[in-house]
Amino acid sequence: GAVVSQHPSRVICKSGTSVKIECRSLDFQATTMFWYRQFPKKSLMLMATSNEGSKATYEQGVEKDKFLINHASLTLSTLTVTSAHPEDSSFYICSARGRRGTYEQYFGPGTRLTVT
Amino acid sequence: GNSVTQMEGPVTLSEEAFLTINCTYTATGYPSLFWYVQYPGEGLQLLLKATKADDKGSNKGFEATYRKETTSFHLEKGSVQVSDSAVYFCALSGDYKLSFGAGTTVTVRA
Repeated sequence: GAVVSQHPSRVICKSGTSVKIECRSLDFQATTMFWYRQFPKKSLMLMATSNEGSKATYEQGVEKDKFLINHASLTLSTLTVTSAHPEDSSFYICSARGRRGTYEQYFGPGTRLTVT
Repeated sequence: GNSVTQMEGPVTLSEEAFLTINCTYTATGYPSLFWYVQYPGEGLQLLLKATKADDKGSNKGFEATYRKETTSFHLEKGSVQVSDSAVYFCALSGDYKLSFGAGTTVTVRA
């Protein structure tokens, strides 16, 4: 149980285009989903927290207009990188938390974004 | 605020060697503590966790004990295998968010 999927696993796009990454909880309802960014040989940086049906809460320094997050249902959250630039190239990982009041997060396998 | 400090790698070991990865934390309240493992090209998998002081988490031969007096949660394994090569992250929960350490890359040679 507690499986989280991400799609696509890898994407290459041209500078200036937008890319959407999907995160799905396959066998549970995720009241909260998190989006992280991981730089090479670095730890995970929390970008934003999204609760189903409400606006995402972005961490300091993360541009909300560039990284659009939608959590339209209890099993799906999307991250759209708008007007991507090479510096947005990174490994993006989502996680999902089930019941409110619990700490455990279940992580997706990650999406490798390369902007050329 | 909450923070996690773990030993920097990389760590290179021979098969069957003993592995220790140190992790200390700073937190308000009583956080839960976690170790996650990330295999090459993959996302994070929960390895083990402990939710209160003196709890010992264990899984796949790995162990870590929640030490409140030393604010530590060191990861240990008595005999590593090549398949244990991965990046290991220590993390704590606070305000329903996870704070991660920088990660320690472990390479086990046959």
